[in-house]
Amino acid sequence: NAGVTQTPKFQVLKTGQSMTLQCAQDMNHEYMSWYRQDPGMGLRLIHYSVGAGITDQGEVPNGYNVSRSTTEDFPLRLLSAAPSQTSVYFCASSYSFQGSYEQYFGPGTRLTVT
Amino acid sequence: LAKTTQPISMDSYEGQEVNITCSHNNIATNDYITWYQQFPSQGPRFIIQGYKTKVTNEVASLFIPADRKSSTLSLPRVSLSDTAVYYCLVGDGGGTASKLTFGTGTRLQVTL
Repeated sequence: NAGVTQTPKFQVLKTGQSMTLQCAQDMNHEYMSWYRQDPGMGLRLIHYSVGAGITDQGEVPNGYNVSRSTTEDFPLRLLSAAPSQTSVYFCASSYSFQGSYEQYFGPGTRLTVT
Repeated sequence: LAKTTQPISMDSYEGQEVNITCSHNNIATNDYITWYQQFPSQGPRFIIQGYKTKVTNEVASLFIPADRKSSTLSLPRVSLSDTAVYYCLVGDGGGTASKLTFGTGTRLQVTL
């Protein structure tokens, strides 16, 4: 199993550009999520999904869209990049059952917005 | 959302036992307590998870008192490679639709 994969590893955008961060998992996990981590800070939840066709907002959803058309893929779209979105983005997945969450994280995408 | 509180940082010498306590006063009945480890430039890695009493695996032990309002991660005989940030996580009580919230974590520095 490849686990959780993310592409690209690094990205530089200009203010106002849009792009999609890709995330895929091959473990047939129901639960997937996106976090951002600013330098020296903890992780903040952007969006999450409990299964194909179902998504919901986390702590910091503004400026981001997600979709979940398949169990395997959970792309994160930046609508109009801003310097405040400079961060490291992590995708994670887990089995989804009552109260227990052992999440597997991808290697991250380092995004710089100039 | 269930919120956690941990010490910001801890220091230890190699070979010592390290205990990191997490406070989670608003934990819900069906929530588990999960601990993650994160090295610089990497995604977090699952360490251990528990619901009550004590859980032990090859890496760590997790102690949870009866009221479940706190938990303690115990790392036996730490080495330099255990230098990392440790996060305590609980769900927000929504079951399969829970939003999982990371706190600021505890930065553990291990020295010789």
